[in-house]
Amino acid sequence: QLQLQESGPGLVKPSETLSLTCTVSGGSISTSNNYWGWIRQPPGKGLEWIGTIFYSGSTYYNPSLKSRVTISVDTSKNQFSLKLSSVTAADTAVYFCARWRGGELANYFDYWGQGKLVTVSS
Amino acid sequence: EFVLTQSPVTLSLSPGERATLSCRASQTVSSSYLAWYQQKPGQAPRLLIYGTSSRASGIPDRFSGSGSGTDFTLTISRLEPEDFAVYYCQQYGNSLWTFGQGTKVEIK
Repeated sequence: QLQLQESGPGLVKPSETLSLTCTVSGGSISTSNNYWGWIRQPPGKGLEWIGTIFYSGSTYYNPSLKSRVTISVDTSKNQFSLKLSSVTAADTAVYFCARWRGGELANYFDYWGQGKLVTVSS
Repeated sequence: EFVLTQSPVTLSLSPGERATLSCRASQTVSSSYLAWYQQKPGQAPRLLIYGTSSRASGIPDRFSGSGSGTDFTLTISRLEPEDFAVYYCQQYGNSLWTFGQGTKVEIK
């Protein structure tokens, strides 16, 4: 059974960089048809896709966040990471990592981490 | 900009009733790339439907999806107490992923 777990600081100061890591267990991050994504949810609001990465390093970002986002992968550790720079209070959210299963018939986020609340405050 | 608009924002129904949730896209969506998720408070989203109408593993058959083009629907045939939650549609296209803003199904 695949499991994903977010880790990182729960409090970040304004203008600084938010950094989170997602550790994948129960399967390899380097599997074809598997992409790895970050999604966030501000308190009381809906889901917002941040970006997605393939194990080869190919990345895809939400245009509204692209200038501030970097997603990377470390296949040796079975992890992928998110960096969001110049954060403001508007970036306060629960951050989820998830697996995107891609293919001719299967296209969905099926495995999710439990979520990590990150608060931006001084 | 690709937008998914879900309606209604809130649906107030009683257990046993039928729920019909709408998801309208600003551009045509490939049926293969439209999914629905359920989210309960304090939990991660759970995949319900993928490819517009295929149920994910373990999802009861009271959940069904339909639609094409720009209009998609999630139907819950008879609401069970555990079905009261927020539902999101989501699409993939042109290397972009988009979620709708959600529909909350609440107990009337």
